[in-house]
Amino acid sequence: DQQVKQNSPSLSVQEGRISILNCDYTNSMFDYFLWYKKYPAEGPTFLISISSIKDKNEDGRFTVFLNKSAKHLSLHIVPSQPGDSAVYFCAASGPNFGNEKLTFGTGTRLTIIP
Amino acid sequence: NAGVMQNPRHLVRRRGQEARLRCSPMKGHSHVYWYRQLPEEGLKFMVYLQKENIIDESGMPKERFSAEFPKEGPSILRIQQVVRGDSAAYFCASSRLGEQQYFGPGTRLTVT
Repeated sequence: DQQVKQNSPSLSVQEGRISILNCDYTNSMFDYFLWYKKYPAEGPTFLISISSIKDKNEDGRFTVFLNKSAKHLSLHIVPSQPGDSAVYFCAASGPNFGNEKLTFGTGTRLTIIP
Repeated sequence: NAGVMQNPRHLVRRRGQEARLRCSPMKGHSHVYWYRQLPEEGLKFMVYLQKENIIDESGMPKERFSAEFPKEGPSILRIQQVVRGDSAAYFCASSRLGEQQYFGPGTRLTVT
């Protein structure tokens, strides 16, 4: 049962444009959401997170939007840069964030075209 | 200020052998999580440990897999009698209580 879903396995975006990565979840108990970036042969690196009490969080070029009623979140990267090419994972935690497991989506491979 | 360290980075085992994967958390972190990533899939939670305690092992296969995080030394994920289906990347993450997880570079296990 895939509780966190990333329905787009891959995405290609022109350099300088906006990249939008989507994530859906089914478990209403999820309370905290994170995005991780992963390069080949490396571990995931934390990018940005959002608590369920917010609908938007911004950090530099990265913004995460949360729509609780739709159980949907998205990551916006503006402007996209070649170094952003990587696999992006959406992850979710229950209310005990920092003291419990993360549930990951299957990832979206983002390719930035120069 | 070293990050999470995992060794070995690559491990090749024949079917039936044992695999031992080590994880040294970041300094000051007392919580360790193990995840497994099969080819073309996301990371799947296996086990969550604090020093000398297993907190959540709901993702661990019932047989052949065990994990420990002793008072001194690294956390160990042990797989006995490995099979081809155990071939995967195994990631360790560490955290302080209430804070986000930081991931190590992973151990790629290949079972031949």
